[in-house]
Formats: sequence, C-alpha cells, structure tokens
Amino acid sequence: AQSVTQLDSQVPVFEEAPVELRCNYSSSVSVYLFWYVQYPNQGLQLLLKYLSGSTLVKGINGFEAEFNKSQTSFHLRKPSVHISDTAEYFCAVSDGFGNEKLTFGTGTRLTIIP
Amino acid sequence: GAVVSQHPSRVICKSGTSVKIECRSLDFQATTMFWYRQFPKKSLMLMATSNEGSKATYEQGVEKDKFLINHASLTLSTLTVTSAHPEDSSFYICSARDFGISGQETQYFGPGTRLLVL
Repeated sequence: AQSVTQLDSQVPVFEEAPVELRCNYSSSVSVYLFWYVQYPNQGLQLLLKYLSGSTLVKGINGFEAEFNKSQTSFHLRKPSVHISDTAEYFCAVSDGFGNEKLTFGTGTRLTIIP
Repeated sequence: GAVVSQHPSRVICKSGTSVKIECRSLDFQATTMFWYRQFPKKSLMLMATSNEGSKATYEQGVEKDKFLINHASLTLSTLTVTSAHPEDSSFYICSARDFGISGQETQYFGPGTRLLVL
C-alpha cells in the first residue's frame, strides 16, 4: 500500500521569498511522484512529475522538486514566490507498475503575504 | 498539456433527484478515467476507475448503485448520482489518463463539478 504525508497543512510566505513544501511517501514498489496545484473552486493542474531519470524535476511556474529515494521525499521548491502562487498544493504517488491510481496527500495551503 | 472538461461546473438539485456529470478528454483518447470526491479542505478521495467498454471499478466504501459510472466512448465518462441527498453535496473531480507521445502516463484533471443537494 502507498501513502503520502504532507507535513504542513498551511504555509505562509512573504512575497518574493523562497518556499519549500514537504512531501514524504511510503511504497513497497517503485513509484511515480507528482505535484498538483489547485486554485479556489478549480480542478487540479499538474505542476511537475517524477517518473524516472534525473532526481531534480523542473515544472511550470518556476517550481521544482527533488526526488530523494533514501529519505522517501519529494519536496517542492520555488526560489521566489508571487501572489499568484496562493493555492492548495497536493503531492501524489502512483505505484508505477500500471496501477494508475493516484494516492494524494492531504494538501498544503500556500498563502503568499504581500 | 492535455485538456479535460467537466459539465456542469455547478449544479443544485432537490433531494431525491438524480444528477449526471460529464467528463470529456478534449484532445486525446482516454481508455481510463477516474472519479474523485473532494470534501471541504480535504484531499481527493478516489471513488472509482472508469474503463471504456467495461464496468467501472469502485473503491471500498463507495456505493456502485448510488454512483453510476458509464464510459461509453474513448473521450467521455459520466457519473450519475442517483437519488441524491444532502450528504452527497461535494466537489466531484474527474481525471483522464494519457500516455502521451513518449508513452509515459499522466493523469489530467477536469475543473470539477460543485454539487449542492437541497
């Protein structure tokens, strides 16, 4: 069974400051990892994904994430946030063996302070 | 990226009526689509996996007679909430699986449907 833990339910950050949203996962098999962003009253938009290869993954809107197998983590980072980054961010995992089901974390609410 | 649409975006209905929600993949074919439910300030809960041309697979605890799923074509899946009650009020989100040019799988999500049952 897989699980995803997002340790921070809310993260307030000043505008133009860096941010890191934490995600840890557990899985008995190899995994695919994803970060999604959800703006108010909208569906989810894919930010980035790790399937294989380089452990540093770059996504849209200036976000990047690093897959760390030894620490079972996939933290999301951005060097300088903008007001428009205010949203809910979800980390998700699938087991990478054709089981396409995604298991989501509980989400992190990122609030940008002007 | 691939686009998935949902219709309607918002629906209000009376208790006891049925509501149909459509999920469409607009620029790709999806043999598999997924239906999620999201409670306020909560994560997404997978309800069922919809496979084109076959019966849907429901997650444990989800009533298949309550939430009817039909995946009649490679671009359309529908979720019908039958005899809706206030506790069915929620945000329903679908996703469609795309393999892309490289063959790597990604799920693309629709914008969601807000259901309010009075």
